[in-house]
Parts: sequence; C-alpha cells; structure tokens
Amino acid sequence: QITLKESGPTLVKPTQTLTLTCTFSGFSLTTSGVGVGWIRQPPGKALEWLAFIYWDEDRRYSPSLKNRLTITRDTSKNQVVLTMTNMDPLDTATYYCAHNTAEVDWGADYWGQGTLVTVSS
Amino acid sequence: DIQMTQSPSSLSASVGDRVIITCRASQTVNTYLNWYQQKPGTAPKLLIYASYSLQSGVPSRFRGSGSGTDFTLTVSSLQPEDFATYYCQQSYSTPWTFGQGTKVEIK
Repeated sequence: QITLKESGPTLVKPTQTLTLTCTFSGFSLTTSGVGVGWIRQPPGKALEWLAFIYWDEDRRYSPSLKNRLTITRDTSKNQVVLTMTNMDPLDTATYYCAHNTAEVDWGADYWGQGTLVTVSS
Repeated sequence: DIQMTQSPSSLSASVGDRVIITCRASQTVNTYLNWYQQKPGTAPKLLIYASYSLQSGVPSRFRGSGSGTDFTLTVSSLQPEDFATYYCQQSYSTPWTFGQGTKVEIK
C-alpha cells in the first residue's frame, strides 16, 4: 500500500525559506519508472505543479519558480524534501506531494493529504 | 510551458445528467492527458490517465477521450458523489501543467 505524508511548518515569515518533507512508504524511489512530485494549491484556486524527482535523480522544476526551488531525496529514509526560498504571502497554499509512475503515463496516482503553509509576518 | 484550458469553469447539473468537460492544450500532448477529481478539503484523485485509461477503482461512468490538443471527460450519469472540481493535466513535458479546473455543482 502506497502512502505519502507531508510535514513542515504551517507558518513562515516573508523572505524565509520553506522546507517541506514528504515521507512515503509502499514503494522505492530507486525503482525504474517512479518519481515523486510537489504540487500546491492556493486557497480557492487551481493546482500548480512545482517540482519532480525521478528514480534516477533527474530533477525537473516549474520554470517560473525554478530559481527558488530545490528538490532532493533521501532513499534511506524514504523521503523527498522540497525547499523554497524567499517566501512571499502569495506562496500561501496547501502543498501536496504525490507518487507518479510511468505505468500511468506519469499521472499522480497517490497523493499525500497536503499541508497548509501560510506566509505572514 | 504547455497551457491547459478547461471549459466550462463551472456547471450546474442534476443527478443522472450526462456531463462533458473539455480540455485544450496549447500544443500537442499526444495522449499524455490525465483527469483528476477533487472534493473540498481533500487531495485530488486520479480518474483517467493516458487520455482514456480508467484508473483502478474508478467507476465506468467516467470516460476520457481525445488526443493531440483536444480532450474530453464525460460522466455518463452523474451521481451525488460526483459533485466536485475536475482538473486536467498534461504529463507530456515538464512542467506538467494543470487546467484551471471545472466545478460541477448541484442544480
């Protein structure tokens, strides 16, 4: 059974760096054709794709946020970490991590419950 | 980036109605098109991948079609549990962009 869960601060101040951790189980991030991504959703708004890390450590980022994002993995802990620098109130959103696989043409077939991050002084 | 445009942005329908949601890509995505359902306060759920493949456990009243730039999600007979927001997403090339969503409300 695949599960994912996001963790991190619920409140950050403007200009601070956000670090979110996705802890997963039920799969290995070293298995070919697997990856974990991050997606966010501002309150009442649409989903926005942020970043993705493949089983082979290839990383992809949203071009509009690329300068602020870093995605890494710790296979020994079954974790994927997203850092976002220079946080702004417009970054207030629920942040999700999700499992993607080539078996479903890279659709996100398992999601974490999401974590709401508020950016405010 | 590939832009994904859904229509309509919202619709009102009754239980038993046939509902069609469209999604258009700004350039071809072949059949790398996914559909998600999201209910308030919960994470999205994958319904359809690869344009028309039904994800395991999803009722057969959901059907996807299309290729290239134009896609549709059809719900053949809307059920009470189907009132939600639906998103398309292309997974053809990163960034794997989403549409703006279609909210399906009760008439």
